[in-house]
Amino acid sequence: AQSVAQPEDQVNVAEGNPLTVKCTYSVSGNPYLFWYVQYPNRGLQFLLKYITGDNLVKGSYGFEAEFNKSQTSFHLKKPSALVSDSALYFCAVRDIVAGNQFYFGTGTSLTVIP
Amino acid sequence: NAGVMQNPRHLVRRRGQEARLRCSPVKGHSHVYWYRQLPEEGLKFMVYLQKENIIDESGMPKERFSAEFPKEGPSILRIQQVVRGDSAAYFCASSRGPYNEQFFGPGTRLTVL
Repeated sequence: AQSVAQPEDQVNVAEGNPLTVKCTYSVSGNPYLFWYVQYPNRGLQFLLKYITGDNLVKGSYGFEAEFNKSQTSFHLKKPSALVSDSALYFCAVRDIVAGNQFYFGTGTSLTVIP
Repeated sequence: NAGVMQNPRHLVRRRGQEARLRCSPVKGHSHVYWYRQLPEEGLKFMVYLQKENIIDESGMPKERFSAEFPKEGPSILRIQQVVRGDSAAYFCASSRGPYNEQFFGPGTRLTVL
């Protein structure tokens, strides 16, 4: 079955420190992987995606993510967190072999502490 | 280019009424997706449409819910005979193709009294 898991409901990090938001996936074929951010009372905004190629993907607002096929992970990272990064982050996967759905994780709430 | 537009942003209905949610995709996007988000939960896929065709409706309840994306005009998510459990935020997204990133609208918050 296709799925994506975000094991942490909440992540707290001090401003200026590096941050990681974890995501693991399960698909039957090669995954298309995405990260989105949601601010309060807003829709989701696209951050970055991995389709193929370099395992380290750079995206908007200084975020990056590393695709690790052996660990079936796609963790979101940023070297230095900002208070304005506080938001809800969703990982999503699309299985290009089976079906056309996007599967979203349950989200991780990131709080950056000043 | 305008992003995905959804209206209304807020919709209040009494039990048993109908709710119609509209979504205008990004210009040039022919793929539309509808999601439901309940408080403290993630996004749940409902339906995927591509101009006049329903590609995947596996996430949509079999009864009371329907979706369309006509040749002209916005995509419509229709909920008949709403119940309190239908209260949620409904998000529409569009993409250029089936494997491109999705762009999300601001959502419609449905409250059923």
